[in-house]
Amino acid sequence: AQSVTQLDSHVSVSEGTPVLLRCNYSSSYSPSLFWYVQHPNKGLQLLLKYTSAATLVKGINGFEAEFKKSETSFHLTKPSAHMSDAAEYFCVVPYSGAGSYQLTFGKGTKLSVIP
Amino acid sequence: KAGVTQTPRYLIKTRGQQVTLSCSPISGHRSVSWYQQTPGQGLQFLFEYFSETQRNKGNFPGRFSGRQFSNSRSEMNVSTLELGDSALYLCASSLPGLARQDTQYFGPGTRLTVL
Repeated sequence: AQSVTQLDSHVSVSEGTPVLLRCNYSSSYSPSLFWYVQHPNKGLQLLLKYTSAATLVKGINGFEAEFKKSETSFHLTKPSAHMSDAAEYFCVVPYSGAGSYQLTFGKGTKLSVIP
Repeated sequence: KAGVTQTPRYLIKTRGQQVTLSCSPISGHRSVSWYQQTPGQGLQFLFEYFSETQRNKGNFPGRFSGRQFSNSRSEMNVSTLELGDSALYLCASSLPGLARQDTQYFGPGTRLTVL
């Protein structure tokens, strides 16, 4: 079974400082991995996805993530936080098999940005 | 291209009632998935439909059901509502493939409150 663990339920940063949201995965094979963001009272938006091509993945709004197999990690980073980055972020592993497809979500990390 | 739309956006029901939620996928998308989001359990997969057939179902009681129409629109139904069914219900659509890197596009959700 595949799963993801988000190591922090809440992260608080000052505007203009770097963002690091941590995610570890558990899988018996090299997985695909996604990061989604959810702004208050909104649906989920895909930030970026890793699909076994380049290990450093660039996403929207200046976010990027690096797949590290040796550490089973897929941490999300951004060099400089903006107020608009305040949201909840989900690390996600997709599963396809036996004729079906579904996403398994981490518990989420709420990012607060202090002006 | 229009995104995933869900109706209604908000619903208030009482225990024991039933409810039907609707989802219109992105044009050309044939796979529709449903997720339940609660503060305690996070985001959990309910079921996935493709070409009017349920391909996969999450670990939810039989009170939760769904269907998909020939135009790919989907509905989910919850019968005999319980207080614990209060949640944000999210619909997602994707292209028909089963590849692990398929992107699911989410709607804004339906906020269900059970009193």
